[in-house]
Amino acid sequence: KAGVTQTPRYLIKTRGQQVTLSCSPISGHRSVSWYQQTPGQGLQFLFEYFSETQRNKGNFPGRFSGRQFSNSRSEMNVSTLELGDSALYLCASSTRPAGRNSPLHFGNGTRLTVT
Amino acid sequence: AQKVTQAQTEISVVEKEDVTLDCVYETRDTTYYLFWYKQPPSGELVFLIRRNSFDEQNEISGRYSWNFQKSTSSFNFTITASQVVDSAVYFCALSGYYTGANSKLTFGKGITLSVRP
Repeated sequence: KAGVTQTPRYLIKTRGQQVTLSCSPISGHRSVSWYQQTPGQGLQFLFEYFSETQRNKGNFPGRFSGRQFSNSRSEMNVSTLELGDSALYLCASSTRPAGRNSPLHFGNGTRLTVT
Repeated sequence: AQKVTQAQTEISVVEKEDVTLDCVYETRDTTYYLFWYKQPPSGELVFLIRRNSFDEQNEISGRYSWNFQKSTSSFNFTITASQVVDSAVYFCALSGYYTGANSKLTFGKGITLSVRP
């Protein structure tokens, strides 16, 4: 069974630009969560989607948004990039919504560098 | 608010030594899950174990064992006879038991384990 696939693996963008990251969950998984990992703040929750609905959202500005498609694939978008957005963005999938006896399985992440 | 503290930041051991990674958590929930994840250099977070708050039995899986003590809010992870392949960053995490605002994973800062040959 293929794992969680994130594309692209690496991205370099300039301040002020926007970026879209993609995540394909494990087949059969309907819940997708996004996390940001930085050396200073560690791993922080961005949002969770289940059946195309956002179920939970972390404490990030509105520049961070996401969506989930009917095939459970998810995208997250960051607009007006700032240097502090440089991070490893991790996507995770599970069969049921988080908290329903369903552990998260993570992808390799997308490393975003903002210059 | 939920909080996970991993006081150790870096640990270095020689192969075949035993090593214990500490994890202390805080939550107001009466039911919750605790997790350990491993992050090798490739970046992927690898799920190791999930423990619910109802079950304080210790668990052993090969060279790995976990000690959950609700009285001290700790969920420690021991690797017996460490190997070079165990070198990675290890994260302890906490989530609520039910769907809702606390269902997200709250991670500790991670412990970088280096196992030298």
